Amino acid sequence: AQSVAQPEDQVNVAEGNPLTVKCTYSVSGNPYLFWYVQYPNRGLQFLLKYITGDNLVKGSYGFEAEFNKSQTSFHLKKPSALVSDSALYFCAVRDPVFSGGYNKLIFGAGTRLAVHP
Amino acid sequence: EPEVTQTPSHQVTQMGQEVILRCVPISNHLYFYWYRQILGQKVEFLVSFYNNEISEKSEIFDDQFSVERPDGSNFTLKIRSTKLEDSAMYFCASRLAEYNEQFFGPGTRLTVL
Repeated sequence: AQSVAQPEDQVNVAEGNPLTVKCTYSVSGNPYLFWYVQYPNRGLQFLLKYITGDNLVKGSYGFEAEFNKSQTSFHLKKPSALVSDSALYFCAVRDPVFSGGYNKLIFGAGTRLAVHP
Repeated sequence: EPEVTQTPSHQVTQMGQEVILRCVPISNHLYFYWYRQILGQKVEFLVSFYNNEISEKSEIFDDQFSVERPDGSNFTLKIRSTKLEDSAMYFCASRLAEYNEQFFGPGTRLTVL
């Protein structure tokens, strides 16, 4: 079965410092991976995805993620954090049709990012 | 930019009552989903819908739940007889095609008393 793990409940970082939010996955076949962000009382906003191609994927708001097949990881990164980046971040993997998943998303538990001034 | 919309934003109901949560997916999207998020927990898949029928449903999606796409724009989730444990944020999502990401609505917070 497909699964996603986000090992950190919370990540604290000072404004201006680089940030990393970790994600590891377990899938059958080639992984389709996604990052979403959730601000308080809001829905999930798409940040970026990895389908194929370059291992470094760039997304919205200056975020990027590095796909590492050997480590089965897809960590979210940003070179310089902003206080406004404080939110809940979810990593997700697509459950593909060939495994009966009909492309639903399987989410990690989420990581709360707190950026301090 | 097109977006997924959901109504109402907050629904309060008594246990045992029926509720209908409404969603308007992005207009040219073909795949539709409902997820839910119990407070403080992860986002869980409920059901996927394609070509006017359910393509997959989770264990949560029992006989009390149903979905419908009554016209070309709305996508509804009905809970026939709500339970306390149905209290959650319910998200609708839609997707255009195979390799595309899902776009999520802002959610409906359902509170069952």
